[in-house]
Amino acid sequence: AQSVTQLGSHVSVSEGALVLLRCNYSSSVPPYLFWYVQYPNQGLQLLLKYTTGATLVKGINGFEAEFKKSETSFHLTKPSAHMSDAAEYFCAVTEGGGKLIFGQGTELSVKP
Amino acid sequence: GAVVSQHPSWVICKSGTSVKIECRSLDFQATTMFWYRQFPKQSLMLMATSNEGSKATYEQGVEKDKFLINHASLTLSTLTVTSAHPEDSSFYICSAPWGRDSYNEQFFGPGTRLTVL
Repeated sequence: AQSVTQLGSHVSVSEGALVLLRCNYSSSVPPYLFWYVQYPNQGLQLLLKYTTGATLVKGINGFEAEFKKSETSFHLTKPSAHMSDAAEYFCAVTEGGGKLIFGQGTELSVKP
Repeated sequence: GAVVSQHPSWVICKSGTSVKIECRSLDFQATTMFWYRQFPKQSLMLMATSNEGSKATYEQGVEKDKFLINHASLTLSTLTVTSAHPEDSSFYICSAPWGRDSYNEQFFGPGTRLTVL
């Protein structure tokens, strides 16, 4: 069965600093991987996805992630954090039939 | 395109009553929709897959008689929480797949906050 592990339930950075949110996955087949952002009391918004092709994928709001098969990782980065980036971030992997398996989530705080 | 709505956005009910939550794909058709629940400060847990024209598929541990799912049309799926209890209080989110390429991205509704008193 597929699974996703996000290291760190809470990450705090200063405004302008690098954002790094870690995600490792387990899958017996080539995975489709995703990062979603959730603001309080809202649904999920797709930040970026990896399906096939280029392993470095760029998403919205300046975020990007790199698929590293050898490390089974899909870490999310942003060079310079903004206050508006404060939210909950979820890494996810597809299971058959379109079902998504989510990681535990990482709450990102941005200090002024 | 690919907008998913949910109604209501929040609901408060008394213990023992039933609550219906609607999930609609506004500008596309969805033969499959997914229902998730999310407890505070926790991740999303898949509850069931809603299939248009056939029975829903429930994940292990989800009571199908308690969480009734009906996929009435290609744009509407409903989740009914029957005989609700305080432990059913949660954030319920639906999603529907849509895409132009070989992969269908999941589009999420804004969620429904259920509070059972």
